[in-house]
Amino acid sequence: NAGVTQTPKFRVLKTGQSMTLLCAQDMNHEYMYWYRQDPGMGLRLIHYSVGEGTTAKGEVPDGYNVSRLKKQNFLLGLESAAPSQTSVYFCASSFLAGGGNEQFFGPGTRLTVL
Amino acid sequence: DAKTTQPPSMDCAEGRAANLPCNHSTISGNEYVYWYRQIHSQGPQYIIHGLKNNETNEMASLIITEDRKSSTLILPHATLRDTAVYYCIVTLGRGSGNTGKLIFGQGTTLQVKP
Repeated sequence: NAGVTQTPKFRVLKTGQSMTLLCAQDMNHEYMYWYRQDPGMGLRLIHYSVGEGTTAKGEVPDGYNVSRLKKQNFLLGLESAAPSQTSVYFCASSFLAGGGNEQFFGPGTRLTVL
Repeated sequence: DAKTTQPPSMDCAEGRAANLPCNHSTISGNEYVYWYRQIHSQGPQYIIHGLKNNETNEMASLIITEDRKSSTLILPHATLRDTAVYYCIVTLGRGSGNTGKLIFGQGTTLQVKP
């Protein structure tokens, strides 16, 4: 099993450009999450999904959109990138929500917006 | 979700036990204590979780006080590879409305020294 993979690993954007980050998991997990981590900070939840075709907002959703068309994939989109979105983005998945279900994290995507 | 308080940093000698404390005085009866760690900007890694009883796995032990207001993560024989940021997170168990999202604080930076 590859676990949770993220594409791309690194990206540099100019202000106003758009891009999509791809998260894929091969563990048949229902729940998927997108977090961002700024330097010296803990992770903050952007959006999450409790199943195929469903998405919901997390703590810091502004400026991002997501889609979960297939169970194994969770896409994070930036329509018009801003320097404030420079961060490391982590995707995670879990089988069920709550006690007894660990989240598995991907290696991260390092995004710089100039 | 209950808030957690952790010391910002700790040192430990290689081969000795590392004891990482966490306060969660507002924890409710159906909330679990989870520990994750993040090694050098990699994706966070699940370590262990518990509800009321002490727990042990191949990585660590989790000691939860009887009143559940605090807990301690124990790495029995710390190695240099255990140098990481350790996050104590309180989150709901399984049940309606629980999305499994994790609220990360700033964690404890554990430095294991030779």
